[in-house]
Amino acid sequence: EPEVTQTPSHQVTQMGQEVILRCVPISNHLYFYWYRQILGQKVEFLVSFYNNEISEKSEIFDDQFSVERPDGSNFTLKIRSTKLEDSAMYFCASGDQRSYEQFFGPGTRLTVL
Amino acid sequence: GNSVTQMEGPVTLSEEAFLTINCTYTATGYPSLFWYVQYPGEGLQLLLKATKADDKGSNKGFEATYRKETTSFHLEKGSVQVSDSAVYFCALRSISSNTGKLIFGQGTTLQVKP
Repeated sequence: EPEVTQTPSHQVTQMGQEVILRCVPISNHLYFYWYRQILGQKVEFLVSFYNNEISEKSEIFDDQFSVERPDGSNFTLKIRSTKLEDSAMYFCASGDQRSYEQFFGPGTRLTVL
Repeated sequence: GNSVTQMEGPVTLSEEAFLTINCTYTATGYPSLFWYVQYPGEGLQLLLKATKADDKGSNKGFEATYRKETTSFHLEKGSVQVSDSAVYFCALRSISSNTGKLIFGQGTTLQVKP
């Protein structure tokens, strides 16, 4: 059964460093998403991506964040200069056009020290 | 704005007990409602959904009914198993969102003991 994969499973970085979180969505999906969950808090929407551009973003998704689909298979989230408060579990999801049902990856746990 | 509120966890039950996890929402119009489950070490998986009032979603013995009058979508199961131990997330998709973004509750951890 096709699934969304994410790498790495855990990333530790120093404050101010750049990180790139990687996701491989399901191959025939057209909609791509990033969500995050700070420990003990809600899963929060960050950004959606369709037709090679951002279709919607939350107020969390400021200039420090960017997304890219560089090669038609990967979908990446970059944080340019990490802050302590960026420590969270980051989930990638993809969906097809017809149902909007979203399939989630296992998440990347980002720890900023 | 749109929001989802779930009951606090963890919920600890014995095997074969009845499960209810409460979920209420605030939204304009009539959103679609979802329950996702996250097993240890895995991603969120769609458990069930309902797209209009009075719809009942069901899967793997779990059920939830879309109640417009109480703005609720409570998750129930008649007899839980140890394998149901997981984190359960209630979520909505607003009709005003053309991107399908989901708004989640905070998740409820269920622990089922043999």
